[in-house]
Amino acid sequence: EVQLVESGGGLVQPGGSLRLSCAASGFTFSSYWMSWVRQAPGKGLEWVANIKQDGSEKYYVDSVKGRFTISRDNAKNSLYLQMNSLRAEDTAVYYCARDWGGTTVINVFDYWGQGTLVTVSS
Amino acid sequence: DIQMTQSPSTLSASVGDRVTITCRASQSISSWLAWYQQKPGKAPKLLIYKASSLESGVPSRFSGSGSGTEFTLTISSLQPDDFATYYCQQYNSFPTFGQGTKVEIK
Repeated sequence: EVQLVESGGGLVQPGGSLRLSCAASGFTFSSYWMSWVRQAPGKGLEWVANIKQDGSEKYYVDSVKGRFTISRDNAKNSLYLQMNSLRAEDTAVYYCARDWGGTTVINVFDYWGQGTLVTVSS
Repeated sequence: DIQMTQSPSTLSASVGDRVTITCRASQSISSWLAWYQQKPGKAPKLLIYKASSLESGVPSRFSGSGSGTEFTLTISSLQPDDFATYYCQQYNSFPTFGQGTKVEIK
């Protein structure tokens, strides 16, 4: 069974940093593009970033470029999101999601974690 | 960025009703459109990809159609489990989502 379990969320002050993790199991993690998608409270979904199987390609939504870094450790079946210079507008539930395309990036998400809440507030 | 606009934002319906949700793209996305269902406090669930292809395990009462800039999600006979929020998402370029359509009990 495919499972994605996020952790690392919490309350952080504006300008602070946080590192999210996503532990994957039930599939060959190293064969899939992976993404982070966020959802502000009561709002819609926003794709944040994705990363190729070997980490050689990474893409970000404009609003987080230069502040967030996506990475992965295939030996640990884990996906990460390092978030720096956090702003109030980054407050959201952050989901990790598997790309349905496998080795080919499609940007359709067939499995999602349960999400971890990041709150940016003083 | 490609903007996705859903209508309506909220839809009130009864069990057994036929329900249609519309999604419009700000430019042509061919058939690169997916639909997701999300229930409160839960992660989204993939329903449809490539505009009309049903994801494995999704009931056949769900269907999608459209191409270019206009798309629809139809639930042929609304069931109690279908009350949720539905999102369209384009993947012609970097993915963007519609603002969501909440299907509530009438």
